Amino acid sequence: DVKVTQSSRYLVKRTGEKVFLECVQDMDHENMFWYRQDPGLGLRLIYFSYDVKMKEKGDIPEGYSVSREKKERFSLILESASTNQTSMYLCASSPGGLRTDTQYFGPGTRLTVL
Amino acid sequence: KQEVTQIPAALSVPEGENLVLNCSFTDSAIYNLQWFRQDPGKGLTSLLLIQSSQREQTSGRLNASLDKSSGRSTLYIAASQPGDSATYLCAVSGGANSKLTFGKGITLSVRP
Repeated sequence: DVKVTQSSRYLVKRTGEKVFLECVQDMDHENMFWYRQDPGLGLRLIYFSYDVKMKEKGDIPEGYSVSREKKERFSLILESASTNQTSMYLCASSPGGLRTDTQYFGPGTRLTVL
Repeated sequence: KQEVTQIPAALSVPEGENLVLNCSFTDSAIYNLQWFRQDPGKGLTSLLLIQSSQREQTSGRLNASLDKSSGRSTLYIAASQPGDSATYLCAVSGGANSKLTFGKGITLSVRP
């Protein structure tokens, strides 16, 4: 079974702190994604990556950055957390290439910024 | 820009009922369509994936259909159970290796 893990289920941070959210997948997938999910707005794509050291902006990249130094790990970074970044963050991975497999999701990290 | 709509936002049915969840999308040039399930506070689990060339996919009590030309998909759940209570999300892909566009989901409650 594909396993996507996220470093924390719940996280509470202060405004202005630098926040790292880590995601690891164990199936050698090429593609990895970061979403945030908010009531009434659904899932929105923040950043994605098709390969190591490669990143692409999604629909709402402002205030975020990402890092992919190894194939299995994709990190989301909030350089200076703000209260409007309080949300559920979901990481996903997919095999990539020309395959049309589904995305596999992690359990999510609920981030609260005070 | 692709938009995916799921109406209604919430649905409550008695146990045992057969039900249909609807999904519509604005751009028919999709590569595939997927249905996901999300339990409260959890991540998403893939239920069914339909390629653009396919009309339907089945898994157990679930059947998903796709009418690309009209921009519609339905998820049929037979003999619903309380354990089916969750949020169901529809998502479309614009191409191979492409990002997904999600609907906002339908929150289903199956009453014992």
